[in-house]
Amino acid sequence: AQSVTQLDSHVSVSEGTPVLLRCNYSSSYSPSLFWYVQHPNKGLQLLLKYTSAATLVKGINGFEAEFKKSETSFHLTKPSAHMSDAAEYFCVVIGSQGNLIFGKGTKLSVKP
Amino acid sequence: DTAVSQTPKYLVTQMGNDKSIKCEQNLGHDTMYWYKQDSKKFLKIMFSYNNKELIINETVPNRFSPKSPDKAHLNLHINSLELGDSAVYFCASSPIGQGSGANVLTFGAGSRLTVL
Repeated sequence: AQSVTQLDSHVSVSEGTPVLLRCNYSSSYSPSLFWYVQHPNKGLQLLLKYTSAATLVKGINGFEAEFKKSETSFHLTKPSAHMSDAAEYFCVVIGSQGNLIFGKGTKLSVKP
Repeated sequence: DTAVSQTPKYLVTQMGNDKSIKCEQNLGHDTMYWYKQDSKKFLKIMFSYNNKELIINETVPNRFSPKSPDKAHLNLHINSLELGDSAVYFCASSPIGQGSGANVLTFGAGSRLTVL
Protein backbone atom coordinates (compact mmCIF):
# COMPACT_ATOMS: atom_id res chain seq x y z
CA ALA A 1 0.00 0.00 0.00
CA GLN A 2 1.09 3.53 -0.68
CA SER A 3 1.88 5.85 2.19
CA VAL A 4 3.92 8.91 3.09
CA THR A 5 5.63 9.81 6.33
CA GLN A 6 6.49 13.38 7.17
CA LEU A 7 9.36 13.17 9.56
CA ASP A 8 8.82 16.46 11.36
CA SER A 9 5.53 17.74 12.74
CA HIS A 10 6.97 21.24 13.24
CA VAL A 11 9.90 23.04 11.66
CA SER A 12 11.00 26.52 12.72
CA VAL A 13 13.42 28.63 10.68
CA SER A 14 14.54 32.22 10.60
CA GLU A 15 13.61 34.44 7.69
CA GLY A 16 16.24 34.24 4.97
CA THR A 17 17.52 30.80 5.99
CA PRO A 18 16.96 27.54 4.07
CA VAL A 19 13.89 25.40 4.51
CA LEU A 20 13.90 21.59 4.55
CA LEU A 21 10.68 19.63 5.04
CA ARG A 22 11.24 15.90 4.98
CA CYS A 23 9.01 13.25 3.46
CA ASN A 24 9.56 9.54 2.95
CA TYR A 25 7.24 7.46 0.84
CA SER A 26 6.31 3.81 0.56
CA SER A 27 5.01 2.48 -2.73
CA SER A 28 4.90 -0.85 -4.53
CA TYR A 29 5.27 0.91 -7.87
CA SER A 30 6.67 4.14 -9.21
CA PRO A 31 4.78 6.73 -7.21
CA SER A 32 3.21 10.04 -8.09
CA LEU A 33 4.05 12.51 -5.34
CA PHE A 34 2.89 15.99 -4.50
CA TRP A 35 3.46 18.73 -1.98
CA TYR A 36 0.50 20.86 -0.95
CA VAL A 37 0.50 23.93 1.27
CA GLN A 38 -2.28 25.11 3.55
CA HIS A 39 -2.15 28.65 4.89
CA PRO A 40 -4.13 29.36 8.07
CA ASN A 41 -7.88 29.07 7.55
CA LYS A 42 -7.39 28.48 3.82
CA GLY A 43 -7.79 25.59 1.44
CA LEU A 44 -4.94 23.54 0.06
CA GLN A 45 -2.79 24.72 -2.79
CA LEU A 46 -0.54 22.60 -4.97
CA LEU A 47 3.15 23.49 -4.63
CA LEU A 48 4.61 20.92 -6.98
CA LYS A 49 4.23 17.39 -8.32
CA TYR A 50 6.43 14.51 -9.37
CA THR A 51 5.16 12.09 -12.00
CA SER A 52 8.24 10.10 -13.06
CA ALA A 53 9.73 12.80 -15.25
CA ALA A 54 12.64 14.89 -13.94
CA THR A 55 13.67 13.91 -10.41
CA LEU A 56 14.17 17.54 -9.40
CA VAL A 57 10.84 19.27 -9.46
CA LYS A 58 10.40 23.01 -9.26
CA GLY A 59 7.24 24.46 -7.82
CA ILE A 60 5.71 27.78 -7.00
CA ASN A 61 7.12 30.40 -4.62
CA GLY A 62 10.70 29.15 -5.00
CA PHE A 63 10.08 25.67 -3.59
CA GLU A 64 11.52 22.54 -5.10
CA ALA A 65 11.66 18.86 -4.25
CA GLU A 66 13.94 16.03 -5.28
CA PHE A 67 12.71 12.49 -5.83
CA LYS A 68 15.31 10.00 -4.57
CA LYS A 69 14.32 6.44 -5.24
CA SER A 70 17.29 4.96 -3.36
CA GLU A 71 16.23 6.82 -0.23
CA THR A 72 12.46 6.68 -0.90
CA SER A 73 12.40 10.37 -0.15
CA PHE A 74 10.76 13.46 -1.60
CA HIS A 75 12.00 16.30 0.57
CA LEU A 76 10.81 19.86 0.02
CA THR A 77 13.35 22.68 0.06
CA LYS A 78 13.61 26.41 -0.40
CA PRO A 79 16.87 28.37 -0.32
CA SER A 80 15.56 31.32 1.65
CA ALA A 81 12.46 31.38 3.83
CA HIS A 82 10.01 34.25 3.73
CA MET A 83 7.52 35.18 6.42
CA SER A 84 4.69 34.36 4.01
CA ASP A 85 5.92 30.74 3.83
CA ALA A 86 4.58 30.06 7.34
CA ALA A 87 1.92 27.40 6.80
CA GLU A 88 1.15 23.70 7.02
CA TYR A 89 2.78 21.55 4.35
CA PHE A 90 1.52 18.16 3.24
CA CYS A 91 3.37 15.46 1.36
CA VAL A 92 0.97 13.40 -0.73
CA VAL A 93 1.10 10.15 -2.69
CA ILE A 94 -1.49 8.67 -5.03
CA GLY A 95 -3.01 5.50 -3.62
CA SER A 96 -3.99 2.32 -5.44
CA GLN A 97 -7.56 3.56 -5.87
CA GLY A 98 -6.33 6.76 -7.42
CA ASN A 99 -7.07 8.77 -4.31
CA LEU A 100 -4.65 11.18 -2.67
CA ILE A 101 -3.09 9.92 0.55
CA PHE A 102 -1.88 12.76 2.75
CA GLY A 103 0.95 12.80 5.23
CA LYS A 104 0.21 14.18 8.68
CA GLY A 105 1.59 17.57 7.79
CA THR A 106 4.54 19.70 8.85
CA LYS A 107 3.92 23.10 10.33
CA LEU A 108 6.50 25.61 9.16
CA SER A 109 7.13 28.63 11.37
CA VAL A 110 9.26 31.51 10.14
CA LYS A 111 10.86 33.83 12.67
CA PRO A 112 11.74 37.41 11.75
CA ASP B 1 -14.18 33.84 -9.76
CA THR B 2 -13.82 31.08 -7.20
CA ALA B 3 -12.94 27.77 -8.86
CA VAL B 4 -14.25 25.48 -6.11
CA SER B 5 -16.70 27.09 -3.74
CA GLN B 6 -18.17 25.61 -0.60
CA THR B 7 -21.02 26.85 1.54
CA PRO B 8 -21.31 27.47 4.36
CA LYS B 9 -17.79 28.35 5.44
CA TYR B 10 -18.69 27.94 9.11
CA LEU B 11 -21.43 25.80 10.59
CA VAL B 12 -22.23 25.44 14.27
CA THR B 13 -24.99 23.05 15.25
CA GLN B 14 -26.30 20.80 17.99
CA MET B 15 -25.82 17.06 18.26
CA GLY B 16 -28.52 15.09 16.53
CA ASN B 17 -29.25 17.70 13.87
CA ASP B 18 -29.04 17.14 10.12
CA LYS B 19 -26.96 19.51 8.02
CA SER B 20 -25.68 19.89 4.47
CA ILE B 21 -22.57 21.39 2.93
CA LYS B 22 -22.70 22.41 -0.69
CA CYS B 23 -19.89 22.41 -3.21
CA GLU B 24 -19.72 23.75 -6.72
CA GLN B 25 -16.86 23.91 -9.20
CA ASN B 26 -16.73 26.01 -12.34
CA LEU B 27 -13.61 24.40 -13.79
CA GLY B 28 -15.38 21.89 -15.98
CA HIS B 29 -13.77 19.03 -14.04
CA ASP B 30 -15.24 15.54 -14.18
CA THR B 31 -14.26 14.34 -10.72
CA MET B 32 -15.15 15.77 -7.34
CA TYR B 33 -14.17 14.78 -3.80
CA TRP B 34 -14.91 15.31 -0.15
CA TYR B 35 -12.05 15.26 2.33
CA LYS B 36 -12.23 15.52 6.11
CA GLN B 37 -9.52 17.30 8.11
CA ASP B 38 -9.53 16.57 11.81
CA SER B 39 -8.27 18.71 14.67
CA LYS B 40 -4.75 17.37 14.16
CA LYS B 41 -4.79 18.56 10.55
CA PHE B 42 -4.95 14.99 9.23
CA LEU B 43 -6.68 14.86 5.84
CA LYS B 44 -8.56 11.80 4.69
CA ILE B 45 -10.70 11.19 1.64
CA MET B 46 -14.36 10.43 2.24
CA PHE B 47 -15.91 10.23 -1.21
CA SER B 48 -15.07 10.63 -4.86
CA TYR B 49 -17.52 11.12 -7.71
CA ASN B 50 -16.78 10.97 -11.43
CA ASN B 51 -19.50 12.41 -13.66
CA LYS B 52 -22.10 11.96 -10.92
CA GLU B 53 -21.06 8.36 -10.27
CA LEU B 54 -19.64 7.28 -6.91
CA ILE B 55 -16.07 6.06 -7.34
CA ILE B 56 -14.55 6.03 -3.87
CA ASN B 57 -16.45 5.53 -0.66
CA GLU B 58 -14.10 5.17 2.25
CA THR B 59 -15.14 3.82 5.61
CA VAL B 60 -17.52 6.59 6.49
CA PRO B 61 -20.65 6.22 8.65
CA ASN B 62 -23.92 5.87 6.76
CA ARG B 63 -24.96 9.17 8.32
CA PHE B 64 -22.85 10.82 5.63
CA SER B 65 -24.47 10.85 2.22
CA PRO B 66 -22.98 12.61 -0.78
CA LYS B 67 -25.23 13.76 -3.58
CA SER B 68 -24.12 14.84 -7.02
CA PRO B 69 -26.97 16.36 -9.05
CA ASP B 70 -24.57 17.13 -11.89
CA LYS B 71 -20.84 16.95 -12.43
CA ALA B 72 -20.34 20.54 -11.24
CA HIS B 73 -21.91 19.92 -7.83
CA LEU B 74 -21.19 17.54 -4.99
CA ASN B 75 -23.10 18.12 -1.78
CA LEU B 76 -22.53 16.43 1.55
CA HIS B 77 -25.46 15.69 3.81
CA ILE B 78 -24.90 14.56 7.38
CA ASN B 79 -27.64 13.04 9.51
CA SER B 80 -27.75 12.81 13.30
CA LEU B 81 -24.61 14.84 13.84
CA GLU B 82 -22.20 13.67 16.54
CA LEU B 83 -19.46 15.48 18.43
CA GLY B 84 -16.81 13.55 16.49
CA ASP B 85 -18.09 15.00 13.23
CA SER B 86 -16.56 18.34 14.17
CA ALA B 87 -13.89 18.97 11.55
CA VAL B 88 -13.09 20.96 8.47
CA TYR B 89 -14.56 19.45 5.33
CA PHE B 90 -12.87 20.17 2.03
CA CYS B 91 -14.37 19.78 -1.38
CA ALA B 92 -12.04 19.31 -4.34
CA SER B 93 -12.17 18.61 -8.04
CA SER B 94 -9.86 17.30 -10.74
CA PRO B 95 -10.09 17.03 -14.54
CA ILE B 96 -10.14 13.22 -14.54
CA GLY B 97 -9.58 10.55 -11.94
CA GLN B 98 -6.31 10.89 -10.11
CA GLY B 99 -4.94 7.53 -11.17
CA SER B 100 -3.01 8.97 -14.06
CA GLY B 101 -0.90 10.96 -11.64
CA ALA B 102 -0.90 13.83 -14.03
CA ASN B 103 -3.93 15.56 -12.70
CA VAL B 104 -4.08 17.51 -9.52
CA LEU B 105 -6.84 18.56 -7.22
CA THR B 106 -8.19 22.04 -6.81
CA PHE B 107 -9.50 22.49 -3.29
CA GLY B 108 -12.21 24.67 -1.90
CA ALA B 109 -11.52 26.86 1.12
CA GLY B 110 -13.13 24.40 3.51
CA SER B 111 -16.23 24.29 5.69
CA ARG B 112 -15.62 24.24 9.42
CA LEU B 113 -18.29 22.19 11.17
CA THR B 114 -18.62 22.45 14.94
CA VAL B 115 -21.02 20.12 16.71
CA LEU B 116 -22.00 21.14 20.23
